Amino acid sequence: EAAVTQSPRSKVAVTGGKVTLSCHQTNNHDYMYWYRQDTGHGLRLIHYSYVADSTEKGDIPDGYKASRPSQENFSLILELASLSQTAVYFCASSDRGNERLFFGHGTKLSVL
Amino acid sequence: QQKVQQSPESLSVPEGGMASLNCTSSDRNFQYFWWYRQHSGEGPKALMSIFSDGDKKEGRFTAHLNKASLHVSLHIRDSQPSDSALYFCAASEQQGGRALIFGTGTTVSVSP
Repeated sequence: EAAVTQSPRSKVAVTGGKVTLSCHQTNNHDYMYWYRQDTGHGLRLIHYSYVADSTEKGDIPDGYKASRPSQENFSLILELASLSQTAVYFCASSDRGNERLFFGHGTKLSVL
Repeated sequence: QQKVQQSPESLSVPEGGMASLNCTSSDRNFQYFWWYRQHSGEGPKALMSIFSDGDKKEGRFTAHLNKASLHVSLHIRDSQPSDSALYFCAASEQQGGRALIFGTGTTVSVSP
């Protein structure tokens, strides 16, 4: 099965600090995504990328940056972490032209 | 407003029973649907897709799509305790190549 690995699995950050969440896939997929999960909101799309060195804004991009330096790697960056960014973050990948997403196990982020 | 809305929020089903989940898109551009399932502590996994009007069956799971009303349902026949999970409906604007928008989810609990 396709493999998407997220690191770290959990993180505690301080308000105003910088946080980087990393994602690595070995599926040879072109597309990668970052979603956040909150109770009552389901999964919301933050950023996505169809090709290396290019990213697109999703539905809730404010306060987040994304970086896709290679086909395999996709990072989510919180320059100034805030309490409202406490959530579980999921990275996913998919093949070109296919919405079957393969998700990682998630990163639980707590901002204090 | 959420573009993809699900009901009910939670559902209890006896083992061997039928679980029925509903999903509606409020945006006529989102006509291609997927169902995903997430067990506790894991990332979501794709169950099945449905792009055409009518029924689609995969094992104990049957999806039904009505494009005129943008309503899709998922029926789980002979429910098992392992079916206890959070179920997401997701929609995309076109078949292939676009990011999925997820609903808020339905929690299904199957009791032995």
